[in-house]
Amino acid sequence: ETGVTQTPRHLVMGMTNKKSLKCEQHLGHNAMYWYKQSAKKPLELMFVYSLEERVENNSVPSRFSPECPNSSHLFLHLHTLQPEDSALYLCASSQDQGLAGLYEKLFFGSGTQLSVL
Amino acid sequence: GDSVTQMEGPVTLSEEAFLTINCTYTATGYPSLFWYVQYPGEGLQLLLKATKADDKGSNKGFEATYRKETTSFHLEKGSVQVSDSAVYFCALSECGGSQGNLIFGKGTKLSVKP
Repeated sequence: ETGVTQTPRHLVMGMTNKKSLKCEQHLGHNAMYWYKQSAKKPLELMFVYSLEERVENNSVPSRFSPECPNSSHLFLHLHTLQPEDSALYLCASSQDQGLAGLYEKLFFGSGTQLSVL
Repeated sequence: GDSVTQMEGPVTLSEEAFLTINCTYTATGYPSLFWYVQYPGEGLQLLLKATKADDKGSNKGFEATYRKETTSFHLEKGSVQVSDSAVYFCALSECGGSQGNLIFGKGTKLSVKP
């Protein structure tokens, strides 16, 4: 148990559906991240939130919309996804984002396995 | 841009065999290097790290040495166990680059047979 909880564990959705992934951490961390893990591809950083403000968006399509209402919760809202968006979506947190020597201490959740039909 | 290349799997070994998973990197700055492990059904966990050249990271019998001259960070273990079966990811984080941005390799799946 890493202290980072993701729900749901599995999600199947159609291309016209709207769904949300949820991530929760009780570690007192100030930064949270969404990563995408596709088969046979490197892990891809999607969004970084630090102290509840979005810091980085690596050119992620607008059909993915993150929301961070507070430093303990992170959502990824999904709308009109494509089959190629099927992947494992991992949430992570760290104590701080941007302090030298601490950025590597990421705590990952177990992920949400998403299938888009 | 910066990148990480690790050997493709899957790697299948017998228990107590010697393990090496190769990892090389390309970076413009002074990156820190990491190995993460993902056990079946779980998220990634930090296994070990090294923050400067010639540093050796070690944990749970695994070791990796930061070799700047060969830009490598190979993972080794002298005697693997069935419980080591997992996917292993090599990663780097840039100094002065996108803060909090780890660059991962594609992962190497290890299966250890009894």
